[in-house]
Amino acid sequence: SYELTQPPSVSVSPGQTARITCSGDALPKKFAYWYQQKSGQAPVLVIYEDSKRPSGIPERFSGSSSGTLATLTISGARVEDEADYYCYSTDSGGNHFYVFGTGTKVTVL
Amino acid sequence: QLQLQESGPGLVKPSETLSLTCTVSGGSISSGSCYWGWIRQPPGKGLEWIATIYYSGSTYYNPSLKSRVTIFVDTSKNQFSLKLNSVTAADTAVYYCARHWYGSGNYYPDYWGQGTLVTVSS
Repeated sequence: SYELTQPPSVSVSPGQTARITCSGDALPKKFAYWYQQKSGQAPVLVIYEDSKRPSGIPERFSGSSSGTLATLTISGARVEDEADYYCYSTDSGGNHFYVFGTGTKVTVL
Repeated sequence: QLQLQESGPGLVKPSETLSLTCTVSGGSISSGSCYWGWIRQPPGKGLEWIATIYYSGSTYYNPSLKSRVTIFVDTSKNQFSLKLNSVTAADTAVYYCARHWYGSGNYYPDYWGQGTLVTVSS
């Protein structure tokens, strides 16, 4: 089965830059998507197709992808960005099997 | 504004079938650009993609759950549903329904329901 691997946790001070990585063998060929999930809430899409930002998502959220690594960057992190973040993608087999990454807890303090 | 709402029993006995329905409002489930699907999250753990369906009935399943899962759609009611057979405690989770937008060859959840906790226990 296909897996997307993320670091369990990332800590950053307010105003600093947080980078969350997502590793997957198919990422050179497949887009990555990123979700923010605050405690007790449903996930929210913050980045789609590697680097596009949905309407209403602050500009401090950006995404990139190179080789087998996708990265979500939060520039000038705020306390309200503290949440779990998940990447999402599919394998390259064309069988429409989608997976979420293992998740990263971002702490801003 | 598109809204999705999960409904179904919050408690299911081991070995029985979990059944959930998602009601879509503010948009049509027959939209050609969307799939509809289910995602779950065990308490304190990560997200797991379960299955998606197109309004015409085309389905895709997580291979690890495929033998126990059925997803189906009722366009007349603007609803889609999930059945998971032979449940165990490991199936205890918050179950989310979500619209999956289709773009650039992929579909991905963009609108989510609030989630419903289903506990498997006798």
